[in-house]
Amino acid sequence: DARVTQTPRHKVTEMGQEVTMRCQPILGHNTVFWYRQTMMQGLELLAYFRNRAPLDDSGMPKDRFSAEMPDATLATLKIQPSEPRDSAVYFCASGQGSGVAQETQYFGPGTRLLVL
Amino acid sequence: EDKVVQSPLSLVVHEGDTVTLNCSYEVTNFRSLLWYKQEKKAPTFLFMLTSSGIEKKSGRLSSILDKKELFSILNITATQTGDSAVYLCAVGGNSGNTPLVFGKGTRLSVIA
Repeated sequence: DARVTQTPRHKVTEMGQEVTMRCQPILGHNTVFWYRQTMMQGLELLAYFRNRAPLDDSGMPKDRFSAEMPDATLATLKIQPSEPRDSAVYFCASGQGSGVAQETQYFGPGTRLLVL
Repeated sequence: EDKVVQSPLSLVVHEGDTVTLNCSYEVTNFRSLLWYKQEKKAPTFLFMLTSSGIEKKSGRLSSILDKKELFSILNITATQTGDSAVYLCAVGGNSGNTPLVFGKGTRLSVIA
């Protein structure tokens, strides 16, 4: 049963600390998305990659967030330094194909981040 | 700027009722509209719609798209408590590299 996996599932940290979240997309999927979800803002797209290349990261605060795909099986999202307003659930999603067929996204379980 | 608006924001119904959730959008060069269901955890895919007037159906759920009026509806018949969730609408537009824009969702609560 292919699925997107994310680690850690929960993270509590103190303001100023570095946070690294990891995502393993479904094998064979060529697009990876990072989202942040809060009660106030709903789902927000932070960044996404196609064939490991970053296509758009305009949704991320550039001074503290960074996203990478070191290889096809791993995507990372880092926050350094973290702030209380970064507290949210961070979802990774992956997709496959091109054009319209690309758009069905399969979500991971999310990382629930709390910054104190 | 691309925009997706869902209504109502929340809805409470009794088991057995039929509900209709709405999604209207403004997007450049529309490509597709997707519906997701989110319970306690991650969103799960329900439907993808690309053509007007063709109903997609899965069990008690169905959805249809109107590209002229720029909206879609998601119907749930004979609702059950397990249908309680947030239903998200997302639209893909622009060039092939533009990802989905999500609405804020409709929170559906089905009570016994």
